[in-house]
Amino acid sequence: DAGVTQSPTHLIKTRGQQVTLRCSPKSGHDTVSWYQQALGQGPQFIFQYYEEEERQRGNFPDRFSGHQFPNYSSELNVNALLLGDSALYLCASSRRTGGTNEKLFFGSGTQLSVL
Amino acid sequence: GESVGLHLPTLSVQEGDNSIINCAYSNSASDYFIWYKQESGKGPQFIIDIRSNMDKRQGQRVTVLLNKTVKHLSLQIAATQPGDSAVYFCAETYNNAGNMLTFGGGTRLMVKP
Repeated sequence: DAGVTQSPTHLIKTRGQQVTLRCSPKSGHDTVSWYQQALGQGPQFIFQYYEEEERQRGNFPDRFSGHQFPNYSSELNVNALLLGDSALYLCASSRRTGGTNEKLFFGSGTQLSVL
Repeated sequence: GESVGLHLPTLSVQEGDNSIINCAYSNSASDYFIWYKQESGKGPQFIIDIRSNMDKRQGQRVTVLLNKTVKHLSLQIAATQPGDSAVYFCAETYNNAGNMLTFGGGTRLMVKP
């Protein structure tokens, strides 16, 4: 049983470019959350997708957008990249039961470097 | 906004000793707390969790203690092993937030052989 898988593992972009990161949740999971982890810091919540809709959002600008597909996989898009967007982007999946989410399982992340 | 924080950024222990990692939280509405372990190049790995209706929970070699009076959380690792070397994060959330976790800044645990 594969866990949470993310692609690519590493990515280098330049300022102003756009990037798309991908995530496949753990088998049986229907909810995907995205987190940004700057070097030496804890992850920060970006947003969460369930039933193909954004359900919750953290304190991130509209340059950060996402999508969830019918197979529960998800994409994170970042437009107009800034140097400060350089970070490890983590995807986490969970299963929603009874209106609440069970515990999160994280992928290994995509390391984004913006030059 | 309110956030979860840690007292010690780096903790160095001798192999076989017990480790204690501390965490302070400030959101009184938080009712669910989790400890994660993150090794280099990997995502956070769930260690143990605790709900606010408990003050202690034990797992395999790990114990989490919750003191709601002073908003303090700790992770105890018994007989620390080299494989325990990693960065440890505490995270908090509350029921209506689903899985919107607020993470602390992390403590690096270094185990000396």
